[in-house]
Amino acid sequence: DQQVKQNSPSLSVQEGRISILNCDYTNSMFDYFLWYKKYPAEGPTFLISISSIKDKNEDGRFTVFLNKSAKHLSLHIVPSQPGDSAVYFCAARELGSRLTFGEGTQLTVNP
Amino acid sequence: NAGVTQTPKFRILKIGQSMTLQCTQDMNHNYMYWYRQDPGMGLKLIYYSVGAGITDKGEVPNGYNVSRSTTEDFPLRLELAAPSQTSVYFCASSYRGFTDTQYFGPGTRLTVL
Repeated sequence: DQQVKQNSPSLSVQEGRISILNCDYTNSMFDYFLWYKKYPAEGPTFLISISSIKDKNEDGRFTVFLNKSAKHLSLHIVPSQPGDSAVYFCAARELGSRLTFGEGTQLTVNP
Repeated sequence: NAGVTQTPKFRILKIGQSMTLQCTQDMNHNYMYWYRQDPGMGLKLIYYSVGAGITDKGEVPNGYNVSRSTTEDFPLRLELAAPSQTSVYFCASSYRGFTDTQYFGPGTRLTVL
């Protein structure tokens, strides 16, 4: 039972354009959502998070949007840079419980 | 500050062999975690620890054992390795609990043949 799904295994965008990475979830008890970024041969690193009481959180070029009614969150990167090329994981947490990760989306930003 | 370190980086095991994956953190974090990542899948929690001497099972604990004798170290033991345990293993730590930012090590790529 995959409670967090990232339906796009890969995404390719041009440098300077917007990257939009999507994530869907099924568990309505999730109250906290995170995005992690992973470069090859490295561990994931935390990027941005959002609580279920908000619908948007922004940090520089990165913005996460949460649509609770649709059980959908997205990560927007504007403008995209070649250094953003990495695998992006979304994760969700039910209060007091472990994180559940999506499968990841490989983002490639072309110069 | 080295953060979270893991050894070895790579290992090939034969079926039935055993090994210990080492994990050390120098951030004085209370919580430590072991995840595995299979190709095309998200990270799955194997075991976690909320402090020295306290461990608990995660989502996929079968075939693994852990111990936490110090705050810094959280080794993962594989007994009787099986091909299904071929994966990349990540250790992570956080100061408080699951909501806190988790800091990950670089991973150990394990192949069981």
